[in-house]
Amino acid sequence: RKEVEQDPGPFNVPEGATVAFNCTYSNSASQSFFWYRQDCRKEPKLLMSVYSSGNEDGRFTAQLNRASQYISLLIRDSKLSDSATYLCVVSTVGGSQGNLIFGKGTKLSVKP
Amino acid sequence: ETGVTQTPRHLVMGMTNKKSLKCEQHLGHNAMYWYKQSAKKPLELMFVYSLEERVENNSVPSRFSPECPNSSHLFLHLHTLQPEDSALYLCASSAAGLAGPTGELFFGEGSRLTVL
Repeated sequence: RKEVEQDPGPFNVPEGATVAFNCTYSNSASQSFFWYRQDCRKEPKLLMSVYSSGNEDGRFTAQLNRASQYISLLIRDSKLSDSATYLCVVSTVGGSQGNLIFGKGTKLSVKP
Repeated sequence: ETGVTQTPRHLVMGMTNKKSLKCEQHLGHNAMYWYKQSAKKPLELMFVYSLEERVENNSVPSRFSPECPNSSHLFLHLHTLQPEDSALYLCASSAAGLAGPTGELFFGEGSRLTVL
């Protein structure tokens, strides 16, 4: 089983649509969770952290289900500028700097 | 403008060449990373430096050789590469110490490498 698994997409949605991305992780000792966004031919950038109680940032809502080892990202009222690849990232704490595990990403394309 | 700059942005090299990728961060961070991004694969961590000391080497072939002369600069020296090494090489930095990254990595725009 892959460490961090995401549906690769692409998700093609019209402007204004609501779209949800899912992510599962295999290591039950994982402690921190994040969504990064990567635009075409650009570097990844942190979109938001994911907290146990769920958290919202404007049109974006992230949720975590530790029992199911599942993370989600919901985007409401999609904009053309939301088109990007969304990377699910999981961190285990263990004294190592290199403990961020990236998923392959889910590609979103928002059409007019 | 990104706080992490990488040069060159594009590099084409033959299998017998020796070249270097350079990364500089202007964010005052104390950890720097090299990642490899290939098509249809997740980002792969290659090397981590914390306070200029290498703390992680993820079974990377010896044809890739990192160097971190100070906390602001990171190099990746390349020699006798293979065509399958063609990828986007991303440098990143973070503020965290040895406890591990907080989750916010700041990436450079990457160096796209093509090995002929």
